[in-house]
Amino acid sequence: DAEITQSPRHKIIETGRQVTLACHQTWNHNNMFWYRQDLGHGLRLIHYSYGVHDTNKGEVSDGYSVSRSNTEDLPLTLESAASSQTSVYFCASSEEHTGELFFGEGSRLTVL
Amino acid sequence: AQSVTQLGSHVSVSEGALVLLRCNYSSSVPPYLFWYVQYPNQGLQLLLKYTSAATLVKGINGFEAEFKKSETSFHLTKPSAHMSDAAEYFCAVSNQGAQKLVFGQGTRLTINP
Repeated sequence: DAEITQSPRHKIIETGRQVTLACHQTWNHNNMFWYRQDLGHGLRLIHYSYGVHDTNKGEVSDGYSVSRSNTEDLPLTLESAASSQTSVYFCASSEEHTGELFFGEGSRLTVL
Repeated sequence: AQSVTQLGSHVSVSEGALVLLRCNYSSSVPPYLFWYVQYPNQGLQLLLKYTSAATLVKGINGFEAEFKKSETSFHLTKPSAHMSDAAEYFCAVSNQGAQKLVFGQGTRLTINP
């Protein structure tokens, strides 16, 4: 069965460190997204990609970057982690024009 | 810009009672609308979606939602709550044909025995 997997599922890092969250999907979807989930804010879009070598900023992109070198992967990098980036991060993918997102199980990041 | 407002961050109902979760949207173009459910420590799963066909949409687990353009609403209902319905529910909107979803803040549903 096709799926979308995230790693690591849990991570604790120190302020100022760099960390990369991996996202891998086997749906062969062109569209991939990164959201963060925080209490009272729902899900907020960080970055998204509509295909290989395409990346776009979402509403909360500051401090984050992504790259898309193939269809399957969209890693999310925090260049210098801040405590405000403590959150649960969700990767998702979708077929074009359907809008239906398929989510990974999330990565819980704690920045101390 | 599109937005979604979910009325009530926490809803509590008795087992067997009607479930009603409210969602209002704002969109300058005809929208696609979605309800997702999130169980503890899991990702989100699609419950149902409206994509400009029938205004009453049926989803999984007995849930349904009605698109009301005049009220800019897409409320989620289920006639009889079950303990397994306890979860967080998210309403989301996108442009027709566009790819990005904008989510509401979520509503946590608690079922009382």
